[in-house]
Amino acid sequence: DIQLTQSPSFLSASIGDRVTITCRASQDISSYLAWYQQKPGKAPKLLIYIASTLQSGVPSRFSGSGSGTEFTLTISSLQPEDFATYYCQQLSSYPFSFGPGTKVDIK
Amino acid sequence: EVQLLESGGGLVHPGGSLRLSCAGSGFTFNWHSMSWVRQAPGMGLEWVSSISSNGDHTYYAESVKGRFTVSRDNSKNTLLLQMNSLGAEDTAVYYCAKCRHNCQKENLEDWGQGTLVTVSS
Repeated sequence: DIQLTQSPSFLSASIGDRVTITCRASQDISSYLAWYQQKPGKAPKLLIYIASTLQSGVPSRFSGSGSGTEFTLTISSLQPEDFATYYCQQLSSYPFSFGPGTKVDIK
Repeated sequence: EVQLLESGGGLVHPGGSLRLSCAGSGFTFNWHSMSWVRQAPGMGLEWVSSISSNGDHTYYAESVKGRFTVSRDNSKNTLLLQMNSLGAEDTAVYYCAKCRHNCQKENLEDWGQGTLVTVSS
């Protein structure tokens, strides 16, 4: 089974900061990685799929990159509504797996 | 507008059973594979199961294999999850999710609001 790790697990940032979250896979998953945002008490929301494709309606300050085993999610200029937990998910092969999450908090 | 509405959650005793439903609307249900994802209190997301658009192919996490059964009724635009032999470790909010077309190599693009399953004596 494919394991995903995320770093950092927690980050504190200010409005306007550039934020980068890393997701690493235990084996090559090509580009079959998605990123989700989850706010407390809410369902996850798809941000990025196939590593770098922005989901319709998602602000362009979000971007994704990477392939193989290392991926990044970048928020170019953090906005108040971006404070949330972010998860990566591999969809290369079953069983699918999620990373443990990165919580982005206000500094 | 895509809507996914889960139901069937609640309190169940250890060893008991529960059936979750997810009603889909606002899209052509039988064009899309579907998935279940759960989240234990205060924890991260855990993929549980997926089913192909016609129901012919099903996939399960090791943690639920042999206890949970996913199915769908395309005539009623409904996704189901039959959960048997429930234990405390199954306590979670269960989300249904619509895949972009297939789940594999694509994404879970729409999610329901979730239904809480609590396993306790």
